Amino acid sequence: GQQLNQSPQSMFIQEGEDVSMNCTSSSIFNTWLWYKQDPGEGPVLLIALYKAGELTSNGRLTAQFGITRKDSFLNISASIPSDVGIYFCAGQQTGNTGKLIFGQGTTLQVKP
Amino acid sequence: DTGVSQDPRHKITKRGQNVTFRCDPISEHNRLYWYRQTLGQGPEFLTYFQNEAQLEKSRLLSDRFSAERPKGSFSTLEIQRTEQGDSAMYLCASSLDQGWRTQYFGPGTRLLVL
Repeated sequence: GQQLNQSPQSMFIQEGEDVSMNCTSSSIFNTWLWYKQDPGEGPVLLIALYKAGELTSNGRLTAQFGITRKDSFLNISASIPSDVGIYFCAGQQTGNTGKLIFGQGTTLQVKP
Repeated sequence: DTGVSQDPRHKITKRGQNVTFRCDPISEHNRLYWYRQTLGQGPEFLTYFQNEAQLEKSRLLSDRFSAERPKGSFSTLEIQRTEQGDSAMYLCASSLDQGWRTQYFGPGTRLLVL
């Protein structure tokens, strides 16, 4: 099925470093959502973006909805060990069903 | 406010058997979604309910799959004559009608078909 292009695929960083990941698509989206998933669990919503250009923060996390509506990025500042996990972007296209199209995920590992 | 719950959390079955999963959405959430996630991939949409009406089904949902939401509250996903390729995590999500763009996921049901 259709998926978003998410990069990088994985990251291994030192505790305290900042992290950036992004998601791109050839199609326009009207909503971008960022989720974190731990092994064996469901995705947990981190940030939701509803308007092109929107920049939203949630604690150490900041995400932006790209102006072209075809991309989004997520930044994590001052990473800590509990940031370890898989981060997924998800987008919704025009229409009222709300079905989400997901990226393939970015696996983040943090070295204490 | 309790989150989305799913039962069972894990299911091991033999090829050819039928299995049924249950999802209880967040209270008052009238939109309910099912997704499937295989190892190393993001979740993929299967089907969507608004109240008791099933309004969209993915091509991934073969005729061996059926989903119901009889009273517009909990939902069930049944897989008949399971195949090894059905092994995956089955995720349920729910949202409000207003604020429908924000979906909250349950913990998932991990299915292994031997």
